[in-house]
Amino acid sequence: QSALTQPASVSGSPGQSITISCTGTSSDVGGYDYVSWYQQHPGKVPKLIIRNVSNRPSGVSNRFSGSKSGNTASLTISGLQADDEADYYCSSFTSISTLVFGTGTKVTV
Amino acid sequence: EVQLLESGGGLVQPGESLRLSCAASGLPFSNYAMGWVRQAPGKGLEWVSAISGSGANTYYADSVKGRFTISRDNSKNTFYLQMNSLRAEDTALYYCGRALGTVDPFDYWGQGTLVTVSS
Repeated sequence: QSALTQPASVSGSPGQSITISCTGTSSDVGGYDYVSWYQQHPGKVPKLIIRNVSNRPSGVSNRFSGSKSGNTASLTISGLQADDEADYYCSSFTSISTLVFGTGTKVTV
Repeated sequence: EVQLLESGGGLVQPGESLRLSCAASGLPFSNYAMGWVRQAPGKGLEWVSAISGSGANTYYADSVKGRFTISRDNSKNTFYLQMNSLRAEDTALYYCGRALGTVDPFDYWGQGTLVTVSS
C-alpha cells in the first residue's frame, strides 16, 4: 500500500488560509469517507484534528476543516496562527482493511 | 483521563526479536480497538497494526505481516506487539494508541518507545 501523496510544504502568513491536499486512489481515499488528519509539532505526539473527512473531535479549533472530492482529500486551516506551524498527515482506510498515511506536509507560518 | 504507556523498546541486532507493551488506564479497555503506529527518525507516520476490543480480529501492514503479531490481555489492560525477524528498516519510534474503530485513527496516543535495529 503506497503512502498517500501530500505536498512537502505549504506556507502562509498569519491570518491567511491554506489548504493541504492528500491524494490517493479509489482503493483508499476515493472509496471511503474515512479520511483523517493529524497535526504533529516537532518532538511531540500526533494529534487527531479531523476524522471521517470533515468531523472535528471535541476541543479542536473550528479553524480546521476537511473535505474530499474523488480521490483527493483536503485540509484547510483558516486564520493561520503561529502555533499552526507543524507537520500535518492525512490517513485513509483502505480496501484491504489497513490504514495508510500520507507523506506529510510541513506548514510554515 | 486516558493514559497509554509503552515499554519494551531497545537496541537489537537484525534478525532478533522484541516485544513491545502498551499499558492503558482511564478507559474501559476491552471496549476499544488498539493499535500501533511507527515513525522512523525524521520520517513520516506509518500504520503498523490494530486489534479489536475482544482480540478476535487483527490487522497488519504489508511491511510487517508475517513478522509482527499483535495481541492483548484485557485482564491486564495491556496489549502487545511481538516483533520477530527485525530489520534495519523497522527502526522507529513506536506509538501505541486507542483507535476509534478497529482500523481507525487514534484519538489517544502514548509517548512512544524507540526500537533500534542495528548490528
